[in-house]
Amino acid sequence: AQSVTQPDIHITVSEGASLELRCNYSYGATPYLFWYVQSPGQGLQLLLKYFSGDTLVQGIKGFEAEFKRSQSSFNLRKPSVHWSDAAEYFCAVGAGYGGATNKLIFGTGTLLAVQP
Amino acid sequence: DGGITQSPKYLFRKEGQNVTLSCEQNLNHDAMYWYRQDPGQGLRLIYYSQIVNDFQKGDIAEGYSVSREKKESFPLTVTSAQKNPTAFYLCASSRGTSLIETQYFGPGTRLLVL
Repeated sequence: AQSVTQPDIHITVSEGASLELRCNYSYGATPYLFWYVQSPGQGLQLLLKYFSGDTLVQGIKGFEAEFKRSQSSFNLRKPSVHWSDAAEYFCAVGAGYGGATNKLIFGTGTLLAVQP
Repeated sequence: DGGITQSPKYLFRKEGQNVTLSCEQNLNHDAMYWYRQDPGQGLRLIYYSQIVNDFQKGDIAEGYSVSREKKESFPLTVTSAQKNPTAFYLCASSRGTSLIETQYFGPGTRLLVL
C-alpha cells in the first residue's frame, strides 16, 4: 500500500540557517510527489511538485526538493530560513484511486519553528 | 480573484445534530475533494467528486454525506452517525482528475462538538 513517512514531527532552526525536511514514500510505480505548507488555522499551499524529469525541483518561497528513487525520498530544502517560514509542512504522494482519480496520500507533517 | 471559500470558519455541533460545511470554488474545476485533518495524522480523504452529480467515497466516508448539484459547490454534511466529528475540514479542487493535476485547498472549517 502507498504511504508517506515524515520522520520528524517537530524541527527548530535558527533564522538564516539551512533547512532540510525529510520525506520517504512507499509506492510501486513512479510517484507523483508534492510538498505543501500550512500556516496555523489555514489551508494548504503547494510549494512544489515532482512528476518526472530533473530530480531537483524548484518551488515557491525559495524552497527546493530532490527526488531520490534509490532512497525513496523527496526531501525539502531551503538554504536560509526566514521567520515567516514557521509553519507545518506536508509531503504527499499522488496515487491512482478508483481508476485514475487523483488521490493524495499525506504524511503526518513536520512542524517547523524558527528561532530569532 | 479565483479561489476556494469555505464557511463557516468555526462550527459547533450538538449531540445528535447534523451540520453542513460549505465549499465553493470559482476556478472552474471539475474535481472537488473533502479531507479531514486531525492532529498528528495528516489529511485523510472523506469524499471526492469528479464531475457534477457524481461523487465517490474516500477512505473515511462513514458518518458523512455530500452532494454535487453545481460545479462550483460541494457541501459536506457531518451526520449524527459520525461519533468523533471534532476536526479541521479542508475542501480542495483540481482542474481534472489526472494525477498531474494540482489540488488547491480552501482555508478550512474547524468543527467542534458541544
